[in-house]
Amino acid sequence: AQSVTQPDIHITVSEGASLELRCNYSYGATPYLFWYVQSPGQGLQLLLKYFSGDTLVQGIKGFEAEFKRSQSSFNLRKPSVHWSDAAEYFCAVGAIQAGTALIFGKGTTLSVSS
Amino acid sequence: GAGVSQTPSNKVTEKGKYVELRCDPISGHTALYWYRQSLGQGPEFLIYFQGTGAADDSGLPNDRFFAVRPEGSVSTLKIQRTERGDSAVYLCASRSGTGYTEAFFGQGTRLTVV
Repeated sequence: AQSVTQPDIHITVSEGASLELRCNYSYGATPYLFWYVQSPGQGLQLLLKYFSGDTLVQGIKGFEAEFKRSQSSFNLRKPSVHWSDAAEYFCAVGAIQAGTALIFGKGTTLSVSS
Repeated sequence: GAGVSQTPSNKVTEKGKYVELRCDPISGHTALYWYRQSLGQGPEFLIYFQGTGAADDSGLPNDRFFAVRPEGSVSTLKIQRTERGDSAVYLCASRSGTGYTEAFFGQGTRLTVV
């Protein structure tokens, strides 16, 4: 079955500390991977995406993610978290073909403490 | 327009009533998706349009839900005989339909059935 697992429901990180949000996927075809962020009352904003090539991808707001095919993972990282990063983060997987919908994980809520 | 527009942003309706939710995608995007996001969950796929036709409606929960896109642009999600369990945020996304592109999401419509 196709699925995305985000094992951490809620994470609290101190401002300035590093962050890693985990994402594991199960997908039958070549995966096409995304991280989205959602602030309260807002829509989903794309942070970064992986299609092919270099397995370390850079995104907006200083985020990066690494695709590890052997582990079926696509973890999101940031070296130094800012208070404004507090939000909900969703990992999603899809196929390259335009007609396929994305499958989302249940999300990880990030809180940032001062 | 510059982004995906959804109206209304909030809708409160009584149980048993009929509602319509509108999505205006990014100009030129041929692929359009509807998702439903319940509290504390990730977005769940409902239906996908390529042009005017529903290419995949496997996510629609039952026959009370229906969506149209008559001219290949604006789409309307229709819910008949609403139930309290239909309360959620309904998200629309559009994509250019070819190649390595991401989906862009609207702000969503928060539907509350009382």
